[in-house]
Amino acid sequence: RKEVEQDPGPFNVPEGATVAFNCTYSNSASQSFFWYRQDCRKEPKLLMSVYSSGNEDGRFTAQLNRASQYISLLIRDSKLSDSATYLCVVTKMDSSYKLIFGSGTRLLVRP
Amino acid sequence: ETGVTQSPTHLIKTRGQQVTLRCSSQSGHNTVSWYQQALGQGPQFIFQYYREEENGRGNFPPRFSGLQFPNYSSELNVNALELDDSALYLCASSAGVSGANVLTFGAGSRLTVL
Repeated sequence: RKEVEQDPGPFNVPEGATVAFNCTYSNSASQSFFWYRQDCRKEPKLLMSVYSSGNEDGRFTAQLNRASQYISLLIRDSKLSDSATYLCVVTKMDSSYKLIFGSGTRLLVRP
Repeated sequence: ETGVTQSPTHLIKTRGQQVTLRCSSQSGHNTVSWYQQALGQGPQFIFQYYREEENGRGNFPPRFSGLQFPNYSSELNVNALELDDSALYLCASSAGVSGANVLTFGAGSRLTVL
């Protein structure tokens, strides 16, 4: 079983739609949680951190449920420029600090 | 402030060959991590270098090795290339090994093994 599981999609939505992505993680000792965005053939870029209290950044809202080991990302009023792959990320700290990535969920926003 | 730069951006090798990928960390960053991203997958942690020493390793065989130099730049070496080594190799730098430090990724080196 993968440490971080995501629905690969693609999610194909019209502009202006609200779309939600979910992710589950298996290691209850995971310490930090993030959503990264990756455009086609580019490097991943940090979209936002995820906290149990929930956090919002403009049209983006992220939520963590530690009891269920579940992370979500909500995008409101989708724009064409939101088309990308969204990677759910948890961290593991042993001798080194490493990011554990999900396989990503692909979003296509159509006109 | 310069970001993370990687070279080469693209390269093609054949099975059995060896490859060296290079990474210059962001100014002020002393820690470099390497990730492999196969097509359709998320990046997978290869290893991390801190103060010129390997500081943690993922589930990759010994033919994947690295170096970090006094200026904090780094190299990833892969020997005896296999077809499955075809991937985007990402370097990320940070200002230390603490979880509080944000990683900055380079644009990657895309390796194709024929």
